Parts: sequence; structure tokens; C-alpha cells
Amino acid sequence: GDSVTQMEGPVTLSEEAFLTINCTYTATGYPSLFWYVQYPGEGLQLLLKATKADDKGSNKGFEATYRKETTSFHLEKGSVQVSDSAVYFCASRTGANSKLTFGKGITLSVRP
Amino acid sequence: DSGVTQTPKHLITATGQRVTLRCSPRSGDLSVYWYQQSLDQGLQFLIQYYNGEERAKGNILERFSAQQFPDLHSELNLSSLELGDSALYFCASSVGGNSPLHFGNGTRLTVT
Repeated sequence: GDSVTQMEGPVTLSEEAFLTINCTYTATGYPSLFWYVQYPGEGLQLLLKATKADDKGSNKGFEATYRKETTSFHLEKGSVQVSDSAVYFCASRTGANSKLTFGKGITLSVRP
Repeated sequence: DSGVTQTPKHLITATGQRVTLRCSPRSGDLSVYWYQQSLDQGLQFLIQYYNGEERAKGNILERFSAQQFPDLHSELNLSSLELGDSALYFCASSVGGNSPLHFGNGTRLTVT
């Protein structure tokens, strides 16, 4: 089955800093890849997705590119805000109507 | 608001007891997924239903069971509760195919 590995956290950045959160995957087929965000006390929200190699997902200033050659889907943002403080999960899904497999998640704290 | 409703939000119970968690999926979504989130295990997939039928099973204990009813809402039953069952339980729904999962805000279960 699929597995997803995220970099260890937590991550603390100053406002307007550049963000990179690493994510790599293993899968037997051709997975779709996702980033979800969890704000305190809330459920997971879809941040962005990519369904095939070289696709770039983007939303709210965040971007991630599906790199098949390195089996990676790193999340980036050019200038983080305090409101971006949350837990970020990378996930993969192989096959239609199948489950999501999540990485362990990483906590991002952005200080003013 | 994801459109997925979970009740109750919080549940405190004693070891050995049985509880039922309820999930109402987004209107039109046929698939329901249950996940357990704990600090040490991260997000673990428990079970998936599609249009009333069990579709996939993950790391679900024998003490746990679930079902999806004709109106598509789902219930997760946890019995003979142990301290280690304390966690956040999330329900997610999807219309099917490759559409993303939409998560509820979770039920926080505390076993004392």
C-alpha cells in the first residue's frame, strides 16, 4: 500500500519567511497527492492537490509540484503569515474511491 | 464549513464502556471514511463505506465496528473501551471516484 513520509517538526518561522515542508511517498501505482491543513480545534481542510506527474497544485499562496522522479510533493509558500500557523498533512491516494494515506503531519508556528 | 457533521463533539466515558459516534456526510456524498487521530499514531484509517457497503478496512480493532445506513449517515461503535482509545475520531465523505475527501470537525473521545 501507499506510505507517506513528512519531515520532522515542529517548524517555527517569522512572518514573511519562506516555507518548505518536505513530503515523499511510496506507492505501487500512480497516486494522487494532497496537502491538508488542520487549524486548532478543527477538522482537516484540503489545501491543494495534484493528480499526475508534473502537475502543480496551488491555493492561498501555497504550491506543491508532483515530482515522480523523486517521489516528492514538497509544500512551499513564499511569504508565510501568522494565520498560516496550523498542522500540515501530506497524503496520497491510489485508485478511485480509495482511502487517503497520511503522513504524520507537521506543526507550523509563524511568529509576528 | 465542510458540510460533514459529526456528533457529539466531545465524549468522556469510563473504561469498559461502549460509545457510538455519528457522522452525516455532505449532501450527495456516497463514501464515508473513519479515521483515528492520536498523538503517537497520527492519522490512522479505520474503515470505509460506500453507499451502505463496507469497502475497505484499515487498522480497526475488533472492539470497533461501523455501519452506513440507507440515508448514508454512518455510525462508529467503540466497545470495551480502554485508556488507549482516547483520541480524535474523524469522519470524512466523498462523492466517489477521485474527488477529494471532506472532513468533519471530529469527536474527541476521552476514556478515564
